[in-house]
Amino acid sequence: GNSVTQMEGPVTLSEEAFLTINCTYTATGYPSLFWYVQYPGEGLQLLLKATKADDKGSNKGFEATYRKETTSFHLEKGSVQVSDSAVYFCALSEGTGNQFYFGTGTSLTVIP
Amino acid sequence: DAGITQSPRHKVTETGTPVTLRCHQTENHRYMYWYRQDPGHGLRLIHYSYGVKDTDKGEVSDGYSVSRSKTEDFLLTLESATSSQTSVYFCAISESTGPYNEQFFGPGTRLTVL
Repeated sequence: GNSVTQMEGPVTLSEEAFLTINCTYTATGYPSLFWYVQYPGEGLQLLLKATKADDKGSNKGFEATYRKETTSFHLEKGSVQVSDSAVYFCALSEGTGNQFYFGTGTSLTVIP
Repeated sequence: DAGITQSPRHKVTETGTPVTLRCHQTENHRYMYWYRQDPGHGLRLIHYSYGVKDTDKGEVSDGYSVSRSKTEDFLLTLESATSSQTSVYFCAISESTGPYNEQFFGPGTRLTVL
């Protein structure tokens, strides 16, 4: 079946630190992979996506590369800001039904 | 931002009472979804719709029903609310299916069942 595993949180970083949030997946076919971000009190917003192996998604300084050989889609940012404090969800979509499978989310707090 | 609203945004109710949550979209997207978000579980799919009057069950559909009489509205009903249904409920929409299409989420409804 399909599933997504994210690193446990919460994560606390100082401003300008490097961020990595690990995500690995299990899928029966060829999924698309997504990172969503949820700010306090809001719904999920798409942060970036990759639709095939070796694709790199990027947005707002965040990047993630679709690694088929390691079934991973780790989120990275070179220098985090206080405004990046949020919960980050890794997700996959596979097949024709557009059903998404979400990880449990990783809470990030960035302190000045 | 995708035009998705949810109502109510917050609700407190008692065990055994019926509850209906509404999702309204202005994007004319064909597909609509209801998720619940719980600590340690991420988001789990309750029901989804692939057109007017066309719905199907998701991973955690027990105790929930849905209806879609118009493209823009997708209703989630708890026939007899239980404390285990205390959660944050999110509606999502997508234009099409297939792995390339992202889902867009509403702001959520926080439901507390006492």
